[in-house]
Amino acid sequence: GAVVSQHPSWVICKSGTSVKIECRSLDFQATTMFWYRQFPKQSLMLMATSNEGSKATYEQGVEKDKFLINHASLTLSTLTVTSAHPEDSSFYICSATAGGAYEQYFGPGTRLTVT
Amino acid sequence: AQSVTQLDSQVPVFEEAPVELRCNYSSSVSVYLFWYVQYPNQGLQLLLKYLSGSTLVKGINGFEAEFNKSQTSFHLRKPSVHISDTAEYFCAVDNTGKLIFGQGTTLQVKP
Repeated sequence: GAVVSQHPSWVICKSGTSVKIECRSLDFQATTMFWYRQFPKQSLMLMATSNEGSKATYEQGVEKDKFLINHASLTLSTLTVTSAHPEDSSFYICSATAGGAYEQYFGPGTRLTVT
Repeated sequence: AQSVTQLDSQVPVFEEAPVELRCNYSSSVSVYLFWYVQYPNQGLQLLLKYLSGSTLVKGINGFEAEFNKSQTSFHLRKPSVHISDTAEYFCAVDNTGKLIFGQGTTLQVKP
């Protein structure tokens, strides 16, 4: 089946630093990738949608200068949290679709803790 | 705007008992419907999906769901649950290429 990986699985960083999270589709080409954020005991909230080679589309209320998304290839998208603050601590999950398929394949998530 | 409502935040149930997790959505157009399961500190795994065709959809791990257009519902059912089914379950709707998730239902299976 379609497998999506994320790296790292967890990361701790100091306030004011930046951290990059990678999302890879291992056995298929991901035309579209999505980034979600999930707070404890809450649902997933879509942050942005990215298509390979083009700028990401951010959801309302998501700061694009803070959450930089790069979809440089059909198998890799990165999310960089710039100048992280404790309120950015969350579980970040990516997903990917192949071609025109509606099914999204989810990565295992990355736990970010900002101290 | 679309929305998804999962009517129960927590559902406790004894092992081997049947369970139903309720999901209602609001949309005036055709939608695709999904149920996902999330185990602690993990991503989401697709249980089943409704795209078109038969309104009764069978998924993995013995789960099934029924699409009811008139009631705008997509309830998830399992006739006999196991301890290993303890997890968070999310209903989601998609008609624009984006998934809108419900708030989730915690299924707690007790021995």
